[in-house]
This record gives sequence, C-alpha cells and structure tokens, in this order.
Amino acid sequence: EVRLVESGGGLVRPGGSLRLSCEVSGFTVNSNYITWVRQAPGGGLEWVSVIHSGGATHYAEFVEGRFILTRDDSKNRLFLQMNDLRVDDTGFYHCVRTPGTSLDSWGQGTLVSVS
Amino acid sequence: SSELTQAPAVSVALGQSVTVTCHGDRLRTCFTAWYQQRPGQAPLLVIYAKNIRASGTPDRISASTSGNTASLTITGAQAEDEADYYCSCRDSSGNSWVFGGGTKLTVL
Repeated sequence: EVRLVESGGGLVRPGGSLRLSCEVSGFTVNSNYITWVRQAPGGGLEWVSVIHSGGATHYAEFVEGRFILTRDDSKNRLFLQMNDLRVDDTGFYHCVRTPGTSLDSWGQGTLVSVS
Repeated sequence: SSELTQAPAVSVALGQSVTVTCHGDRLRTCFTAWYQQRPGQAPLLVIYAKNIRASGTPDRISASTSGNTASLTITGAQAEDEADYYCSCRDSSGNSWVFGGGTKLTVL
C-alpha cells in the first residue's frame, strides 16, 4: 500500500525555521517525482516544490531561496527545510507522489503555523 | 491570482447532473487533472490526463477539455460527491504545477 506521512509541523515565529519530514512506504522515494503542496486554512491548494527521481529540485517563486527540498534514499524519506518563515506560509503541507502529470497519492499533511 | 479560474461554488440537486469548469490558456496544452477534497480530508485524485478516471473514481464522474476550458461532470450526483474540486495543470517541463482556486460543490 502506498503511504506518505508528513511530520515536523508546529508553531513558529516569523523569521524562524522548521524541518518537515515525509516518510514514504509502498514505493521508493527515488522512483517517482515527489511534490509538496500547501493549503492555507480555508484556502486553496498551492504548489510549493518538486524533487525529480533523479534528484533535481524546483520551487515556487514565493519559497525560492528560503525552502530546500532534500531526500534520503536509505531512509525512504524526504525533508523540506523551511527558513525565514512568513505569516503567509501558514497552512497544511502535504507531500504527494507524482507519477507523470498527476498527483496520485497524498499524505494527510502537517500543519505549519507562523505567528 | 491563479492562472486557472474556477467558480467558487456550485450546487446540484441529488440525482441531477452538474458540471464544474476550469478556465485558462494553459489548458490548451497541458494534461489537466482534477482533485476532490472532502472536509477534513486530504485531496484525492479523481481524473488525470484530461479525462482518465483514477482508480476508485465512479463512472458517474467524467471530464473533458475544449480549448481553454476543462470540465468535470458528475451525472446523477450523490451525497458523497459534496466536496471541493480543484483543477490542476503541470507545465511542459514538469517543473511546476498550478491549481485552480477550487469549486465548492453542494448536493442539495
């Protein structure tokens, strides 16, 4: 069974940092693209970042230079290092398996509150 | 503002048909996907590659694209179809995705 479980969210002051983790089971992290999508409370979905199976990473403009996405293949985990957090970074952060053009398996998300 | 535009809300009577639309020039060239999000749950892929049902998507849900408009149609809406629906598009490089603002579907 494909499963993605996020952790590491919490309450942080503006300017602070958090490190989110995404633990994957049912497939290997380096065999698919993995995407991060966030959702502000009561808001819509917003693409944040993607890591390709080959390891290349790409970021939305609003997090470029502040967030860093990495992968530990030996632990089948991904990490989203979030620095210089802003109030509008608040929301649920989901990691999502991304085969091709669709986001087919979503984690339940971890809540980041910047206040 | 989102590059993909959706109406904020739409309603349908139980058992009737409803279409949720998504507009944007990007839709002319991308492979549209649709996601369903019920309250308190993570989004769920329902349609990918413009009109292919994801595993578990009921036959009453279908999708199509014409020009700069993508449409998700539910034929014979059920209570469990009440949810937010988001369209999305991946850019041609595979390096970014964009979502519509979402449409809240109410089944009356």
